[in-house]
Amino acid sequence: DTAVSQTPKYLVTQMGNDKSIKCEQNLGHDTMYWYKQDSKKFLKIMFSYNNKELIINETVPNRFSPKSPDKAHLNLHINSLELGDSAVYFCASSHERGGLKTQYFGPGTRLLVL
Amino acid sequence: AQSVTQLDSHVSVSEGTPVLLRCNYSSSYSPSLFWYVQHPNKGLQLLLKYTSAATLVKGINGFEAEFKKSETSFHLTKPSAHMSDAAEYFCVVTELSSGGYNKLIFGAGTRLAVHP
Repeated sequence: DTAVSQTPKYLVTQMGNDKSIKCEQNLGHDTMYWYKQDSKKFLKIMFSYNNKELIINETVPNRFSPKSPDKAHLNLHINSLELGDSAVYFCASSHERGGLKTQYFGPGTRLLVL
Repeated sequence: AQSVTQLDSHVSVSEGTPVLLRCNYSSSYSPSLFWYVQHPNKGLQLLLKYTSAATLVKGINGFEAEFKKSETSFHLTKPSAHMSDAAEYFCVVTELSSGGYNKLIFGAGTRLAVHP
């Protein structure tokens, strides 16, 4: 069984469109994350949720809106897509309560904005 | 702010020879450090982590890393490279967010190529 899954795996869309990426984890973790990996492979955290509460919000444009309907899901909605949004987006999860724990990553969603 | 510097963007070795991927960190407090591996078109997988226990950390697939506070280094090594080790490797340090939660700060990555 896949521990952290993301849909879709690939997403090609036009500038100005709105799109969503979904993430689900079946590890029973309480914390989930979104990361962006640019074309140079540089990885940077965007958001983190703990028990459906936003705990980390890096300086991401407000066109990006995460939503956590429950502990096992963290979705990312992107409005008015721009060329610079093209990247690979990774979801991750961990158990953060009680100390630092390993983050488990999903396979990534490759977004291409034309 | 915490940061990591991976000293080599590309490393190329022959199969069966040792691997050394270098990482230096900058931290204002005792850090937690990780190495993650990313195979082509795949997600990231944890190789090993240092969280203030033993300074020599053993990970999966024969990799290990040594935390050296005096040198602010956390280099990744493997005695004998295998073709399947070809991948992108990321050195990672933790940083406390403004809300007091840990977040991962990634290095720029080192691409390891393994030749027959």
